[in-house]
Amino acid sequence: SAVISQKPSRDICQRGTSLTIQCQVDSQVTMMFWYRQQPGQSLTLIATANQGSEATYESGFVIDKFPISRPNLTFSTLTVSNMSPEDSSIYLCSVGDNTEAFFGQGTRLTVV
Amino acid sequence: DQQVKQNSPSLSVQEGRISILNCDYTNSMFDYFLWYKKYPAEGPTFLISISSIKDKNEDGRFTVFLNKSAKHLSLHIVPSQPGDSAVYFCAAHEAGTYKYIFGTGTRLKVLA
Repeated sequence: SAVISQKPSRDICQRGTSLTIQCQVDSQVTMMFWYRQQPGQSLTLIATANQGSEATYESGFVIDKFPISRPNLTFSTLTVSNMSPEDSSIYLCSVGDNTEAFFGQGTRLTVV
Repeated sequence: DQQVKQNSPSLSVQEGRISILNCDYTNSMFDYFLWYKKYPAEGPTFLISISSIKDKNEDGRFTVFLNKSAKHLSLHIVPSQPGDSAVYFCAAHEAGTYKYIFGTGTRLKVLA
């Protein structure tokens, strides 16, 4: 298993601003994943972050809106840019393989 | 098009009785199925998984059943305990990728 720490755990932000979410893992991992859970919805994969290369984004998500950094094998950041109320969600960092995935506690973002 | 569906948004069960949470899927390429439990303000916690080549996996009070012909899986919790009250997510792993597709969750309430 992996222990994943996310910061901040929650934030309330003004529309038009940006928020960077940090994810720290207690072991080296090749891939890190960022998910979003909108109110009442399922978890949706935003992008996959590999160390040393650009993140791979899922359909409907773009780098300009959700830039991701992956400077080393234990850390990643997700930025939610130019926020609007529609970005109010829980954002989750995850690591895993094809049989198991582990999640951080999530960042609850409210955009006002 | 939702590939993983949890059609019951909520379920209430008496303590000591069996809880049955259901999940349906549409994609034949899923090779692993997982169940997660989520408490408020926490990230999803892995519970149990099952490979697509099996029809049952048991771990303590938790048993997952897979019916491939019906594209249906279920999580049985017996006996149910008040501490089991949480949102349960079904997730499916897409073979050949690192992608997990999640259902929308079922909120289980175990009544003392």
